[in-house]
Amino acid sequence: GESVGLHLPTLSVQEGDNSIINCAYSNSASDYFIWYKQESGKGPQFIIDIRSNMDKRQGQRVTVLLNKTVKHLSLQIAATQPGDSAVYFCAESTPTDTGNQFYFGTGTSLTVIP
Amino acid sequence: DAGVTQSPTHLIKTRGQQVTLRCSPKSGHDTVSWYQQALGQGPQFIFQYYEEEERQRGNFPDRFSGHQFPNYSSELNVNALLLGDSALYLCASTPPGLAGKETQYFGPGTRLLVL
Repeated sequence: GESVGLHLPTLSVQEGDNSIINCAYSNSASDYFIWYKQESGKGPQFIIDIRSNMDKRQGQRVTVLLNKTVKHLSLQIAATQPGDSAVYFCAESTPTDTGNQFYFGTGTSLTVIP
Repeated sequence: DAGVTQSPTHLIKTRGQQVTLRCSPKSGHDTVSWYQQALGQGPQFIFQYYEEEERQRGNFPDRFSGHQFPNYSSELNVNALLLGDSALYLCASTPPGLAGKETQYFGPGTRLLVL
């Protein structure tokens, strides 16, 4: 199976600081990536995505960077707020015989300190 | 516009029983995927349904089966429940397009506890 790993299982940041969450993926054929936020007791919520033909994509307060050379993905959250506290997952979409399939990492728990 | 909905929200079963979980995709979405998320882990792909057929399957035993209806809603069935089946079961829907090439949106999940 695929392996999508995160460098740090937990991350604590001060409110107002920027957060960076990292993700390593193993399959160089993966061509689409999504970051999800999951709050306790809820399903994953889409944050931002990026396709393999791009190396950067920006949303509202979030930026995703993709480095295909080292198979690394990062999520940057600007001016982190208490509401950003959650577990963040990266997911890679990998081609298979029957179509692309998503593989998830184990998640990084972000805690924002007021 | 309702998002992905799942029922029930919580369920308690005993070993050996069977369970059926339900999912209604987001409006306009035609593909439904099911995931199992154990505590402290990322979601693990079970299978995906498109045009009422199982299109892809992850590494799960045949005890896990599913169905998709003409209105794109879907069911996940698990037979002969084991303690290890206790998890959050997530449904995700995808708009028309190539599988895995479009954003998938998740429902709130069904928390299954097997005693």
